[in-house]
Amino acid sequence: GDSVTQMEGPVTLSEEAFLTINCTYTATGYPSLFWYVQYPGEGLQLLLKATKADDKGSNKGFEATYRKETTSFHLEKGSVQVSDSAVYFCALRSGAGSYQLTFGKGTKLSVIP
Amino acid sequence: EADIYQTPRYLVIGTGKKITLECSQTMGHDKMYWYQQDPGMELHLIHYSYGVNSTEKGDLSSESTVSRIRTEHFPLTLESARPSHTSQYLCASSASGRTTEAFFGQGTRLTVV
Repeated sequence: GDSVTQMEGPVTLSEEAFLTINCTYTATGYPSLFWYVQYPGEGLQLLLKATKADDKGSNKGFEATYRKETTSFHLEKGSVQVSDSAVYFCALRSGAGSYQLTFGKGTKLSVIP
Repeated sequence: EADIYQTPRYLVIGTGKKITLECSQTMGHDKMYWYQQDPGMELHLIHYSYGVNSTEKGDLSSESTVSRIRTEHFPLTLESARPSHTSQYLCASSASGRTTEAFFGQGTRLTVV
């Protein structure tokens, strides 16, 4: 079945540091890929998405590129802020059958001043 | 802004009580989901629905039940709450299709004492 593996946290960075959160997947067909963010006490919000190979999703300074050859969708940001402290989830929607959603386990990011 | 609402946001209730967590969306989405989120942040799918009168159990076994009598409404019921039911419950909805993202409510934090 489909699966998403993302780097385990927690990740602690200083403000203005470079961020990478790794995400790899296994899926049938041609899945769509997503990054969600969850701030403390809130539900998940879509951060960005990519629906086909080589697409780059971007939003709020974050970006991720759909790499079919390495089955990866790593999240990056050039300069993190304290307000980016949250939990980040990588997810995919299957490219076949019922188009089921599958989430990674989440990576907690803390940014310190 | 996502138009999906969960009530209550927080609930503290005694063991043995019956509770219903409400979830409503105004986007006309066919698909709706309930997730249980553990303290380690991982999301566990406990119920989903692909339309009116359609409900299925998810990957994580749950003593809760759901119903889908109207497109916009997907309540979750616990007949007899126990301390092991203490958790964060997240409701989500999405349109059909390979590229569609899920929209999440703000969650209900349930504590059973």
